[in-house]
This record gives sequence, structure tokens and C-alpha cells, in this order.
Amino acid sequence: EPEVTQTPSHQVTQMGQEVILRCVPISNHLYFYWYRQILGQKVEFLVSFYNNEISEKSEIFDDQFSVERPDGSNFTLKIRSTKLEDSAMYFCASSDRGIHYNSPLHFGNGTRLTVT
Amino acid sequence: KQEVTQIPAALSVPEGENLVLNCSFTDSAIYNLQWFRQDPGKGLTSLLLIQSSQREQTSGRLNASLDKSSGRSTLYIAASQPGDSATYLCAVNWNRMNYGGSQGNLIFGKGTKLSVKP
Repeated sequence: EPEVTQTPSHQVTQMGQEVILRCVPISNHLYFYWYRQILGQKVEFLVSFYNNEISEKSEIFDDQFSVERPDGSNFTLKIRSTKLEDSAMYFCASSDRGIHYNSPLHFGNGTRLTVT
Repeated sequence: KQEVTQIPAALSVPEGENLVLNCSFTDSAIYNLQWFRQDPGKGLTSLLLIQSSQREQTSGRLNASLDKSSGRSTLYIAASQPGDSATYLCAVNWNRMNYGGSQGNLIFGKGTKLSVKP
């Protein structure tokens, strides 16, 4: 069964450094999402992306965050200057027609980001 | 405020038992609701999606129901197995406040951690 792939599985970085988290969504999917889960807390929405632009974003997704689809297969999340509170598991998800068309989200296994 | 609550936080049952996991949400104007399974250190696996117009969805031993008026959804697992042990998450997609369509994002509950003992 096709799946969403995320790399790396674990990233350790120092406060203030830039990180890029990478995702390869399911190949025929058109809608892409980033969510995060701080340890012990709920999964939280960050951003959705369609047709090479952001569709929705949450209050968490401030100017330090950006997303990009640099080619036909990758979808990336960049954090420009990491803070300690950015430490979390970051999940990429994709959907063929989008949650607003009742099309389920398929998640990757996540990247655990640790900011020291 | 739109919130999703799952009670209990943890549940332990013997193998073979039928069980129900509960999800409640604060605003009945939902667009759809999705149930996920999360294994330790892993991503979320989509189990079932119920549209706002539907009352239930079934997949194998799983049955999810939706009662919008009472703000509740349940996930019924029949004949539980040790392999069902995981955290089960409920996530709601709400309607936009002022015009039609969905908000385009999911709001999650904290999950119920299920342990099925052999």
C-alpha cells in the first residue's frame, strides 16, 4: 500500500539553527499537511498546502516556518531559527482530494525534532 | 472553542472482549470525523472517516458511529486482539464559521491508550 515517507526519523539541532524536514507524499495525492505533536500532548495542525500554495495555517505556523514543494515528489517544512519549544514529533500527511472533500489524511511516521 | 475529548485516557481489556472507545466534541457543526491508530513512536494510521451526513462506518472488526446532536462518536472494536494495542485518536474537521465548507484541518483528541492482554 502506498505510504507517506518522512526523513530523517530523528533530527537533533541546536537552538537558533535552521532545520528542514522532508516528506514524500503518496504519489497521486494533491493536498499536503504538516502536524506536530509535543511529547504527551495532542496532535496539532500547522499548515495545509495545495497547488503550490498554503491553503490554511494555524497560529503556531508563524514567520519562522515555511513550506515548499521543490519538485514533483518532495514536500518540506523549514524552521528558520529553532527554539527549545519547537521540540516535537512532526508529521507530514497527504490526501488525494483534501479533508474538505471527505478524503482521509494519510500520515507518515514522523520526524522527531530535538532542539538543544 | 472547538475541542475534542477522549475518555478514558487508558483502557486495559482481556483478549476477545468487545470494547467501545469514546470521543466527544464541543460543536455539532462538524464536516467529518476521522479515527486513527497510533503505535508507539510511529505515525497515525487512518482507520475510518465518517462524513457529517453519515451515522456509521464499518471496516472489518471496527465500527465507528456518529451522533452530531449529542457531540459524540464511538469506535467499537469487536473481538479484540493483542495486536489492537495502540493509542486510538479521534479527530474532527469542523465547518467554517461564516460560510460553507470545511475548515480544512483536523482537531485531535488526546487519545485512548488501549492495551489488550493475551
